[in-house]
Amino acid sequence: DAGVIQSPRHEVTEMGQEVTLRCKPISGHNSLFWYRQTMMRGLELLIYFNNNVPIDDSGMPEDRFSAKMPNASFSTLKIQPSEPRDSAVYFCASSLMFGDSTDTQYFGPGTRLTVL
Amino acid sequence: AQTVTQSQPEMSVQEAETVTLSCTYDTSESDYYLFWYKQPPSRQMILVIRQEAYKQQNATENRFSVNFQKAAKSFSLKISDSQLGDAAMYFCAYRTSRGISNFGNEKLTFGTGTRLTIIP
Repeated sequence: DAGVIQSPRHEVTEMGQEVTLRCKPISGHNSLFWYRQTMMRGLELLIYFNNNVPIDDSGMPEDRFSAKMPNASFSTLKIQPSEPRDSAVYFCASSLMFGDSTDTQYFGPGTRLTVL
Repeated sequence: AQTVTQSQPEMSVQEAETVTLSCTYDTSESDYYLFWYKQPPSRQMILVIRQEAYKQQNATENRFSVNFQKAAKSFSLKISDSQLGDAAMYFCAYRTSRGISNFGNEKLTFGTGTRLTIIP
């Protein structure tokens, strides 16, 4: 079975440009998560969706960041305008939530973003 | 808020030997999940093992096992018969098991990681 798919794997852009990261969760999973990994802050949750609805976006740094999940098989994380401090590895993860508990989160390969 | 602490930034072990990575956490909840994830140089986050807090039996997955001490809030990972492919960053993570009605219940809180080196 295919795991979580992210694209692009690497992105290099200049400050001020718009960046869009994409994620396809594991088929059948109903929860999707965006994490960011930096040396300074480690791994931190940005936002997560359940059944395509944003549940917790308290980790989104500021208004320059936005995330959407138009359907069960696709999500985007957009940064506009990008800044050098946004340089990081961005992970997408998915899980199957049922009842009052959720299954394990499975991670994609990540997108390494460099903003010059 | 929950916190996860990994006090060993780096560890090394001889190939075929056993190594234990430490993790402690702070929570006021009685029911939760704990995880160990492995991140090799490829950056992929790979689930190693998972433990439900309500289970007294320690989880095992082949060469990987945990020592879960709920009262001490400790969750260490033991790797037996270390192999070169085990070289990676290892992250301990915590997640509440509160119901869906509680906002943010699915969030994973990660430790800062331990870099494990395998010596041939």
